[in-house]
Amino acid sequence: EVQLLESGGGLVQPGGSLRLSCAVSGFIFSNYAMSWVRQAPGKGLEWVSIIYSGGGAYYAASVKGRFTVSRDNSRSTMYLQMNSLRAEDTAVYYCAKLTGWLDPWGQGTLVTVSS
Amino acid sequence: DIQMTQSPSSLSASVGDRVTITCRASQDIRNDLVWYQQKPGKAPKRLISGASSLQSGVPSRFSGSGSGTEFTLTISSLQPEDFATYYCLQHHDYPWMFGQGTKVEIK
Repeated sequence: EVQLLESGGGLVQPGGSLRLSCAVSGFIFSNYAMSWVRQAPGKGLEWVSIIYSGGGAYYAASVKGRFTVSRDNSRSTMYLQMNSLRAEDTAVYYCAKLTGWLDPWGQGTLVTVSS
Repeated sequence: DIQMTQSPSSLSASVGDRVTITCRASQDIRNDLVWYQQKPGKAPKRLISGASSLQSGVPSRFSGSGSGTEFTLTISSLQPEDFATYYCLQHHDYPWMFGQGTKVEIK
């Protein structure tokens, strides 16, 4: 069974940093691209970034230059390093497997940026 | 960047009603469009990919159509479990973009 488990969320002050993790099981992680999607409280879905098996990555304009996605194939884990955090980055962050489209998704981890 | 305009933002409907949700892309995205359903507190669930291919296990009352810039999700006969928020996603070019969402509520 494919499983994705996000962790690392929490409360952080504006300007601070946080690293999210997405640990996967049930498939050969190194063969697949992975993505991050976020959802601010009461708002819609926002695509954040994607990383391919070879390490190539793309970002949404809203996070480019502040967020960095990476992966450790030996640990079957994807990461999202988030720097210079702003109040508008407050959201549930989901990771998802790319199989031509985003599916399945993890259960999400909440990031709150507040003083 | 490709913009996705989804409409309506919300609708009220009764069980048994036919419901149609539209997504328009700002440029041609061929059929690189996915529809998701999301219920409160849950991760999105894929309904349709390739604009019109129904995900295995999804009821046949859901259907998708369109290509290029205009796409439609139709629920032929709304059921109680279909009350949720629906999103389209274009994955034709980066940055990927979701529609704003359509909340389907009970009338």
